[in-house]
This record gives sequence, structure tokens and C-alpha cells, in this order.
Amino acid sequence: QKEVEQDPGPLSVPEGAIVSLNCTYSNSAFQYFMWYRQYSRKGPELLMYTYSSGNKEDGRFTAQVDKSSKYISLFIRDSQPSDSATYLCAMSARGNNRLAFGKGNQVVVIP
Amino acid sequence: GAGVSQSPSNKVTEKGKDVELRCDPISGHTALYWYRQSLGQGLEFLIYFQGNSAPDKSGLPSDRFSAERTGGSVSTLTIQRTQQEDSAVYLCASSQSGYQPQHFGDGTRLSIL
Repeated sequence: QKEVEQDPGPLSVPEGAIVSLNCTYSNSAFQYFMWYRQYSRKGPELLMYTYSSGNKEDGRFTAQVDKSSKYISLFIRDSQPSDSATYLCAMSARGNNRLAFGKGNQVVVIP
Repeated sequence: GAGVSQSPSNKVTEKGKDVELRCDPISGHTALYWYRQSLGQGLEFLIYFQGNSAPDKSGLPSDRFSAERTGGSVSTLTIQRTQQEDSAVYLCASSQSGYQPQHFGDGTRLSIL
């Protein structure tokens, strides 16, 4: 079992819809949780960074962490064609700074 | 300000050759990381440098891979005797310190013929 599971299936939504992405993980030591956005032939760009459980909102983006269920989510409201990209979840444990990544979700927002 | 810079952006080489990949981290960032991104495998950790501490090399896949960081800034990842399975995008990231968010460069696309 991989440390971080993210269903890589492509996701197509109409413009204006809510995009919902999630990851599960197995390592209970993970305390830092991130979402990255990656455009084609570019490096991952940090979108959201949260510590431990709870919600964090930044503009149209909301990140949720449920440590009891080992489950994290990213919601994108009022999705735009410019949101079309691959979204990667990542996490790390205190004392171990390497990031463990999910495989990424390709999102296509259709105008 | 300037982000993480990697060079070359693309590299094509023949099997068995050695390659060197370069990373310039964000100025002032003490932590530097190398990852590899390949189809079907996602992003895999390779090596981590923090200040003057000994690097965490636990992610390097074989002894053909090595990395150094000179003067606490620029880093070079070297792959000796390249194999076709080394073909991937090699990504560098840096952070202000070990627990701060990591910021990535655009990577070097390595193709082994």
C-alpha cells in the first residue's frame, strides 16, 4: 500500500462548478498537508498548506484535513478554465521533511 | 522575486553517459530537495539538504545517483552510467527551513536513448 492514495482518474467539470478532490493516507505521523497545482511542462505550484486537522480557505480554494480518518480534501469553487491542471496532494511528518505525494488528479474545466 | 531555477530544462543523452543537473534555490532558503517525477510513479523523493547538516540520501535509487550542494546554495544532481529507466522529470525544491512549504522549479526533462 502506498503511503498516499489519490485516484488519478481525470475529472471534467463545466465552468462554474465545484471541483472536489481528495487523498487518503496511511501514515499517522503526517502532520503537514499540502495541495499543489501543476500545469503541463511546469513544476508544482503550492496552493494550500495546512498543519494538522481543520479547514483553511483561500479565495476560491478550501482545504480540509481529517486526521482521524486520514483523509484530506481540496474544493475549488466557481471553477474557471484556467483551473485546468493536475492537482497533487502532498504531506510530511514532523522530523522528516521529505514530501510524500499522491499521483495527482487531472482536472479539466470546460468553458 | 526569483523562484527556483533548474538547468538544463531538457536533456537527451545516450545510455551509459553521465549527466549533471543543476538547481539554484530561492535566495535565503536553507533547505533544498530533489524529487523525480515519472509516468505512473508520481513524485518520488531523492535527497534533502539542510544547511550544513549531512544530507538525507535515503531516496536515491542506486549508487549511480549522487548530489552535492556547494556553499549552501547551488546543488548538482549527477547520474552516472545512465539507464533508460532514469528517463523522468527531475524536480528541485527549496524552503526557508525544514518545516516550511517547499517551492519547486520547472524541472529538467531527462530522456535516455
